[in-house]
Amino acid sequence: GNSVTQMEGPVTLSEEAFLTINCTYTATGYPSLFWYVQYPGEGLQLLLKATKADDKGSNKGFEATYRKETTSFHLEKGSVQVSDSAVYFCALSKAAGNKLTFGGGTRVLVKP
Amino acid sequence: NAGVTQTPKFRILKIGQSMTLQCTQDMNHNYMYWYRQDPGMGLKLIYYSVGAGITDKGEVPNGYNVSRSTTEDFPLRLELAAPSQTSVYFCASSSPGQGLIYEQYFGPGTRLTVT
Repeated sequence: GNSVTQMEGPVTLSEEAFLTINCTYTATGYPSLFWYVQYPGEGLQLLLKATKADDKGSNKGFEATYRKETTSFHLEKGSVQVSDSAVYFCALSKAAGNKLTFGGGTRVLVKP
Repeated sequence: NAGVTQTPKFRILKIGQSMTLQCTQDMNHNYMYWYRQDPGMGLKLIYYSVGAGITDKGEVPNGYNVSRSTTEDFPLRLELAAPSQTSVYFCASSSPGQGLIYEQYFGPGTRLTVT
């Protein structure tokens, strides 16, 4: 079946540091890939997405590239802010009905 | 445009009690979903629906029931609550968009404790 594996947290960074969160997936064919963000006490929000190999999703300074050869979709941001403190989820969608398969989430804490 | 709304926000149940978690969306989305999020874990799909009158099981359906009588509403029913159902429950909706990108919109969640 489909699965998503992402690095465990928490990841603690200083403001303006570089952030990378690794995500790899297992699925047949070409799933759509997503990064969702969950701020404290809130539901999930879509951060960025990609639907085919070599696509780059980007939003709010975050980027992720769909790498078919390594089955990866790593999230990066060049300079994090305190407001980026949240839990980040990598997910894929493959099956009919657009069901999402989530990774376990990575908590990021950015200190001033 | 409220998006996806869920009620209640918090609830404490005793073992064996029943309750219904409400979910409503005002975006005219065909697809709706229920997920549970256990502490420190990702979300797992409980049930989903591709339209009014159509529901199907997800990864962890045991102990839950759903119905979809309208496009807007997708209630989740817990019968005979058990401590293992202590979790945060998220409802989501989506609709086929351009190409294969089906963004899901999430509600704020219901935190349920069973003691």
